[in-house]
Amino acid sequence: DAKTTQPPSMDCAEGRAANLPCNHSTISGNEYVYWYRQIHSQGPQYIIHGLKNNETNEMASLIITEDRKSSTLILPHATLRDTAVYYCIVRANFGNEKLTFGTGTRLTIIP
Amino acid sequence: EAGVAQSPRYKIIEKRQSVAFWCNPISGHATLYWYQQILGQGPKLLIQFQNNGVVDDSQLPKDRFSAERLKGVDSTLKIQPAKLEDSAVYLCASSRAMQGAVAEAFFGQGTRLTVV
Repeated sequence: DAKTTQPPSMDCAEGRAANLPCNHSTISGNEYVYWYRQIHSQGPQYIIHGLKNNETNEMASLIITEDRKSSTLILPHATLRDTAVYYCIVRANFGNEKLTFGTGTRLTIIP
Repeated sequence: EAGVAQSPRYKIIEKRQSVAFWCNPISGHATLYWYQQILGQGPKLLIQFQNNGVVDDSQLPKDRFSAERLKGVDSTLKIQPAKLEDSAVYLCASSRAMQGAVAEAFFGQGTRLTVV
C-alpha cells in the first residue's frame, strides 16, 4: 500500500511555479522521499529524491519539512510539457527496494 | 545511454489467448522490474529480479502470469490464458544494483495490452 497522500489534481499557469504537496506522516528514519512523473503514454520518469535536506536539480526542487512528515515538489517555471501525473513515493534506502506507486497528482499546466 | 526497450508497443488479443512481452534493460543494470498499470491507477509491481533471481513476486498472479530473466539481461513476461481484466499497460524498469543506497529506476514506454 502507498504510504503517501497527494491531491488528485492541480492546475498551474504556464510560467508560474508549480508546488505539489505530499503527506507521508508514517515515514520512517531510513526512508527517502522520491518523486516521479508520468507524461501521457510514457513510462514514469525520475525527478528527484531526498532524505531530510532540501534538494535541487535541473528539473525541480524538493522541500522536506523538518519532521519529515510532508514534502513539496517545486517546478520553478512550469511549461506545457510539465503536464503529467506526479507521484510521491517513500522508499527505504537499502538497495533495490521496490517503488510503490499511489494514484499521484494530475498536474495540468494552463497556457 | 540507451533506455529500457520494450516490445511490442501495442497488443490486442482475445480472452483465453496467450501473450508475451519482452524487455531489454539498460546495459549493466542488475535489477529489473515488471509493473502493471491499469487505466487511471498508478503502476503496480508484478515481479522484481536481481540479476536472474526473483526478489519479489508477491503480487504476480502465478496461475496465469509468468516471467523469466535468462542470463540476467533480457526478460519476458507471459500471460496464459488472458482475461479481460488483464487489459493494462505493462511497464518494464531497470536500475543499478547498489549496496547501502537507493538507485533510481528507469522505465520503458510500456506495452499496452487490450483483451477483448
